[in-house]
Amino acid sequence: GENVEQHPSTLSVQEGDSAVIKCTYSDSASNYFPWYKQELGKGPQLIIDIRSNVGEKKDQRIAVTLNKTAKHFSLHITETQPEDSAVYFCAAPPRGLTGGGNKLTFGTGTQLKVEL
Amino acid sequence: DTGVSQDPRHKITKRGQNVTFRCDPISEHNRLYWYRQTLGQGPEFLTYFQNEAQLEKSRLLSDRFSAERPKGSFSTLEIQRTEQGDSAMYLCASSSPGQVAKNIQYFGAGTRLSVL
Repeated sequence: GENVEQHPSTLSVQEGDSAVIKCTYSDSASNYFPWYKQELGKGPQLIIDIRSNVGEKKDQRIAVTLNKTAKHFSLHITETQPEDSAVYFCAAPPRGLTGGGNKLTFGTGTQLKVEL
Repeated sequence: DTGVSQDPRHKITKRGQNVTFRCDPISEHNRLYWYRQTLGQGPEFLTYFQNEAQLEKSRLLSDRFSAERPKGSFSTLEIQRTEQGDSAMYLCASSSPGQVAKNIQYFGAGTRLSVL
């Protein structure tokens, strides 16, 4: 099955600085890589995703990069703000799915704290 | 608000009791997923439905767990003879046919189960 590793587990930055979270995956057949943000007491919310035919995708202050050869992908947040403080999860869908269900295997999460 | 609704939000029960959770997906989403999330970890896949058919179950889903989606709309997850190890957040997600290829899963806020 798919194994997704994520680091760091905690990240503290000053407001306005950049934050980078990295993930590696094991299944070379994985072709879709979402990032979720989870705030306290809420479910995960999709913030950005990337497909394997693209190396980078940007949405305002958030960007994701993908290196298929090395099987790793990263989340970049620029000009961080206090409201960016949350737990961030990367995920990837393993192959060998019944009916193409595309379940997701999640990383263990990164607690991002943006300090004033 | 992603539109996936879960009920109840919190459930406290005594060991050995049965509990049932409900998930209402986003309208017209034909795929529905259940995940379990323990403290400090990412969500772990339990099972998923396409319409009313349960197409895949994780090995995490022991015989005490059963999920249904009788009419292809809402779903229930029942845990019989609860154990302390069942304490976790149970998350539901749904996705629509048009987004299957990208597997955009929208999550609810979850049901937090505490087994005393």
